[in-house]
Amino acid sequence: DVKVTQSSRYLVKRTGEKVFLECVQDMDHENMFWYRQDPGLGLRLIYFSYDVKMKEKGDIPEGYSVSREKKERFSLILESASTNQTSMYLCASSLQVLNQPQHFGDGTRLSIL
Amino acid sequence: GENVEQHPSTLSVQEGDSAVIKCTYSDSASNYFPWYKQELGKRPQLIIDIRSNVGEKKDQRIAVTLNKTAKHFSLHITETQPEDSAVYFCAARDSSASKIIFGSGTRLSIRP
Repeated sequence: DVKVTQSSRYLVKRTGEKVFLECVQDMDHENMFWYRQDPGLGLRLIYFSYDVKMKEKGDIPEGYSVSREKKERFSLILESASTNQTSMYLCASSLQVLNQPQHFGDGTRLSIL
Repeated sequence: GENVEQHPSTLSVQEGDSAVIKCTYSDSASNYFPWYKQELGKRPQLIIDIRSNVGEKKDQRIAVTLNKTAKHFSLHITETQPEDSAVYFCAARDSSASKIIFGSGTRLSIRP
């Protein structure tokens, strides 16, 4: 069974801090994704990666960056956290073969004070 | 790029009745449409998906229909049970990129 592990379930940070959210998958998936989930807005794609050291902007990349140094790990970075980045963050992975489902982590609920 | 709209945002049905959630998409080249269920405090999980070479797919009490001409697809849950209470997301693959675009979600409540 696919395992996508996010480093923290809950995280509280202060405005202006640099925040790292980590995600690791154990199924050798090529694709990895970061979403944020807000009530009434569904899952919005922040960034995704289809290979090591490759990244693509999603629909809402502003204020975020990512890092993919190893195939199994995809990090989301908030360069200077702001209160409007308080949200649930979900990581997902999938095979690169066409039309394969995404497998999600449990999410990180991030609060920026 | 792809845009997915989902209705209704909330749905309450009597236990044992059917529930229907509808989605529309904009990219006529989209060919993959998954549905995810997210129970309270848990991760979204795939419950069923359909590819554009078929019009309907069933898995026990769950079925999905796809109308490519009208660019809409629907999730049907029959004989609803309390454990069906969750948020359901439809999605469509963006044909221009290796990414999935999600609808805004439907919160389904099953009344006992």
